[in-house]
Amino acid sequence: AQTIHQWPVAEIKAVGSPLSLGCTIKGKSSPNLYWYWQATGGTLQQLFYSITVGQVESVVQLNLSASRPKDDQFILSTEKLLLSHSGFYLCAWSHAGTITEVFFGKGTRLTVV
Amino acid sequence: GEKVEQHESTLSVREGDSAVINCTYTDTASSYFPWYKQEAGKSLHFVIDIRSNVDRKQSQRLIVLLDKKAKRFSLHITATQPEDSAIYFCAGSTSSGQKLVFGQGTILKVYL
Repeated sequence: AQTIHQWPVAEIKAVGSPLSLGCTIKGKSSPNLYWYWQATGGTLQQLFYSITVGQVESVVQLNLSASRPKDDQFILSTEKLLLSHSGFYLCAWSHAGTITEVFFGKGTRLTVV
Repeated sequence: GEKVEQHESTLSVREGDSAVINCTYTDTASSYFPWYKQEAGKSLHFVIDIRSNVDRKQSQRLIVLLDKKAKRFSLHITATQPEDSAIYFCAGSTSSGQKLVFGQGTILKVYL
């Protein structure tokens, strides 16, 4: 069975500090990978997607970047956090090819102070 | 780009009644429409989806209807139970891409 693990579970960071969030998918080779962001009480915004190692497509610009260093790993980062980065970050995966059911991780709650 | 609008921001129903959540989309090329449930403080959990080659799909107490002409789809939850209380998100995607656009979410409250 496939599992998706996100880390950390929660973070409190200062404005201007760097950030790195991670996600690992086990039990599935070459998945499509996604990062989503949810503002408190808000809808979900897709940030990035990746269909293969080393290839990441940006969906919206939020002063964040993403990388896929391994087939099963997806990293979200920034060098300088803004207050507006606060929210719930969700990593997700789907089977390769035509979009199908997307499976979400448990998320990372980020508070920027 | 695609926009998905979710019409009910909150919905309160009595236990045992049906709940209906409506969504509309803008991109005629959209062909995949999933629904997700989010309980308080938790991640998203897939509940049901529908593709554009059908106009109705049922899974136990959940029914999804798709009207391609009107670019509208809806989630019907029959015989609601308190554990159905959550935020429900609709979403839409074209078959070609990896972009899933979500609606704003509907808070469903099932009361006794």
